[in-house]
Amino acid sequence: NAGVTQTPKFQVLKTGQSMTLQCAQDMNHNSMYWYRQDPGMGLRLIYYSASEGTTDKGEVPNGYNVSRLNKREFSLRLESAAPSQTSVYFCASSDRTGINSPLHFGNGTRLTVT
Amino acid sequence: GDSVTQMEGPVTLSEEAFLTINCTYTATGYPSLFWYVQYPGEGLQLLLKATKADDKGSNKGFEATYRKETTSFHLEKGSVQVSDSAVYFCAPAGSGGSYIPTFGRGTSLIVHP
Repeated sequence: NAGVTQTPKFQVLKTGQSMTLQCAQDMNHNSMYWYRQDPGMGLRLIYYSASEGTTDKGEVPNGYNVSRLNKREFSLRLESAAPSQTSVYFCASSDRTGINSPLHFGNGTRLTVT
Repeated sequence: GDSVTQMEGPVTLSEEAFLTINCTYTATGYPSLFWYVQYPGEGLQLLLKATKADDKGSNKGFEATYRKETTSFHLEKGSVQVSDSAVYFCAPAGSGGSYIPTFGRGTSLIVHP
């Protein structure tokens, strides 16, 4: 059982380049999330999708776009990368929107923008 | 908005020592409370949770009790192991109608043999 799978694991971009981070879950979860983790900042929510066909902004959405391609997949796109987007990105999913549902995380994508 | 305060790390202990990581939160209403753990090079994973006042969550020897009166959810373990070295995150969820958890900044635990 793979759980939440993120690709790629590592990526280096030059300022202004674009890329898409991929995420897929095989647990039939309704909700999916994108977080970034920076030293001393904890996790900050970028975007989330409560269910297939819906997406909403989180705490730090500027510079990002998302697509909920289907129930399994939720991608994060950087249209024009900036050094401030150097971070570790985590995708997560949860079973339903109830407050007792824990999040299941992927192993992250480490992105460096030079 | 909601906020979470965790004790700053790193917390450095010897094997078999007692562990406490403090967590307090501000929230609207009564959220569910979670502790997540992140091992090096991995994503976060659920460690334990409590969904109502006075509930005690437990897993792998770790415990935390939902204290409504002090809005706290401190993590404890009686005897830590080297394998417990990780970053621990406190995360309330469900406050103000939002089911999305608010994560603390994380507390790094280093256990020496």
